[in-house]
Amino acid sequence: NAGVTQTPKFRILKIGQSMTLQCTQDMNHNYMYWYRQDPGMGLKLIYYSVGAGITDKGEVPNGYNVSRSTTEDFPLRLELAAPSQTSVYFCAINSGRGNEKLFFGSGTQLSVL
Amino acid sequence: GDSVTQMEGPVTLSEEAFLTINCTYTATGYPSLFWYVQYPGEGLQLLLKATKADDKGSNKGFEATYRKETTSFHLEKGSVQVSDSAVYFCALSDNYGQNFVFGPGTRLSVLP
Repeated sequence: NAGVTQTPKFRILKIGQSMTLQCTQDMNHNYMYWYRQDPGMGLKLIYYSVGAGITDKGEVPNGYNVSRSTTEDFPLRLELAAPSQTSVYFCAINSGRGNEKLFFGSGTQLSVL
Repeated sequence: GDSVTQMEGPVTLSEEAFLTINCTYTATGYPSLFWYVQYPGEGLQLLLKATKADDKGSNKGFEATYRKETTSFHLEKGSVQVSDSAVYFCALSDNYGQNFVFGPGTRLSVLP
């Protein structure tokens, strides 16, 4: 039972390149989230999903896209990378049953140069 | 909207010192409150939580009490260890436990 698996752990992109951050869970939780963590700024919600086929924008969705075709997977897509997207990205899951904690992946450190 | 405010860091303490990290929140309804900890190179993990007023969450010697009258959830530990060095995040979830709001985090360094 791995919980939440994120790949890759590190990536360097050039401005304008695209990439997909992968997130997979094996806990059968309905709720999945993508956060970015900037130094001293806490976590900002990018997108979230309450179940397969359903996604919604969070606080900072510009420049990102997501899809949720299965319960297990919730990839985050960057289409035209910009230096402002340099950050650490965390995927998290939650059962959605109320008063439950978030389970986090180990993160992806992305640099856009 | 909902928000969480934490004391500015970094906080540097000597081993066995007493720790307090202040956290206050603004929320409608009855949020659940959490403290998460992030060790270097890792994701966040739950340290403790409280789901209603006057509840006390505790884990690994850390404690925090849900104070609705002061909208606070301060983290305390009586005697910190070097292994407690990490970043601590205060957070809340809404009435449905589906939307989470995080504070900016407080970095703690404990010196031997």
